[in-house]
Amino acid sequence: GQQVMQIPQYQHVQEGEDFTTYCNSSTTLSNIQWYKQRPGGHPVFLIQLVKSGEVKKQKRLTFQFGEAKKNSSLHITATQTTDVGTYFCAGPGEGGSQGNLIFGKGTKLSVKP
Amino acid sequence: DARVTQTPRHKVTEMGQEVTMRCQPILGHNTVFWYRQTMMQGLELLAYFRNRAPLDDSGMPKDRFSAEMPDATLATLKIQPSEPRDSAVYFCASGLVWYSSGADQGTEAFFGQGTRLTVV
Repeated sequence: GQQVMQIPQYQHVQEGEDFTTYCNSSTTLSNIQWYKQRPGGHPVFLIQLVKSGEVKKQKRLTFQFGEAKKNSSLHITATQTTDVGTYFCAGPGEGGSQGNLIFGKGTKLSVKP
Repeated sequence: DARVTQTPRHKVTEMGQEVTMRCQPILGHNTVFWYRQTMMQGLELLAYFRNRAPLDDSGMPKDRFSAEMPDATLATLKIQPSEPRDSAVYFCASGLVWYSSGADQGTEAFFGQGTRLTVV
């Protein structure tokens, strides 16, 4: 079935350093979504990318969707302690289950002040 | 503020007991997801409903798990009998999916706070 692979699994950074997490799919995705889950919390939607090569920014966060629509990345510039959490990418299922959401394993970010 | 409501927030039960988790999706959403989150497996999709009809429950152990939507305001996930390996956080999420250009188009999924289940 559809899988989205995320790397790295963990990332420890010093506050002020940049952070990037990558998401790869074995098949072409119609769209990809990114979520953030704070420790003890629930996943919260960040953004959805739909177009090939799309780049979107939210303050210090930059999201990219690959030209082949098989990979995506989330880059955080100058991390802050408020960025701590796990970042997930999620893509639609295949075939008749296209409307569902399959999540990657996530990248857990810790930020040292 | 529209939000997904899950009950109970925490549940501790003994092995072999039945567990029922409930979810009230956001009014107007036509899609409901059930996920199970563990450290080892991450967020696993258990079941997916659209317009109250189950579309995909391939991720759910059929012998003990069942998911239903008796009406548009209630989704349930039941485990009978429960086992220690079922201990996890169970999330319900709802969203809006529409059909366009020959494919399903989705929007963001809104998650509930989750039910933390411990089976001893």
